[in-house]
Amino acid sequence: DFQMTQSPSSLSASVGDRVTITCRASQGIGKYLAWYQQKPGKVPTVLIYDASTLQSGVPSRFSGSASGTDFSLTISSLQPEDVATYYCQKYNGAPLTFGGGTKVEIK
Amino acid sequence: QVQLVQSGAEVKKPGASVKVSCEASGYTFSDYYIQWVRQAPGQGLESMGWINPNSGGTNYVQNFQDRVTMTRDMSLSTAYMELSRLTSDDTAVYYCGRGGKGRTGMVDYWGQGTLVTVSS
Repeated sequence: DFQMTQSPSSLSASVGDRVTITCRASQGIGKYLAWYQQKPGKVPTVLIYDASTLQSGVPSRFSGSASGTDFSLTISSLQPEDVATYYCQKYNGAPLTFGGGTKVEIK
Repeated sequence: QVQLVQSGAEVKKPGASVKVSCEASGYTFSDYYIQWVRQAPGQGLESMGWINPNSGGTNYVQNFQDRVTMTRDMSLSTAYMELSRLTSDDTAVYYCGRGGKGRTGMVDYWGQGTLVTVSS
């Protein structure tokens, strides 16, 4: 069965810190990975697609990268409005698996 | 502008079925897959599957294979997700999302979510 392992499950960082979240796919998925942000009580929104393409309107402090089956979301300078849970999702075909989520808080 | 508008909250008894609708506007409905995703209280996002509105073809996640049916009505630009034999574990917010032009893709627009509560 396909697995998408996301880490860490939570993190606490200071405003201005660089934050990195990773997802590891159990099989190759090419570039077909998206990152979503979900603020408390809100609908998810896409930040990054195709592993590293920034969705229109998303601040440039968010970036994505890939190396084989390892994918990363980086926030270059954490802001208070970035408090949220972040999810990865692969979409190269069934199943469209989500990672378990990373809850980001401000220290 | 692209919008996905879902039907309202539902309360169901265990063993019942629920049907959630997702009305699309602002784009050509047949061009983009519709994904269904659910989120139990305090939990993460869980994919349920997708429907290709153009062909009506579906793909269901194994966990829901025998209980979920996804359909669409092209005349209404509306997708539906029906889940049967509900248990308390199905209490969740159910989202539809526009995902992929002509193939599976990331969800670029989401519905507002529909809370389904299963309680006796």
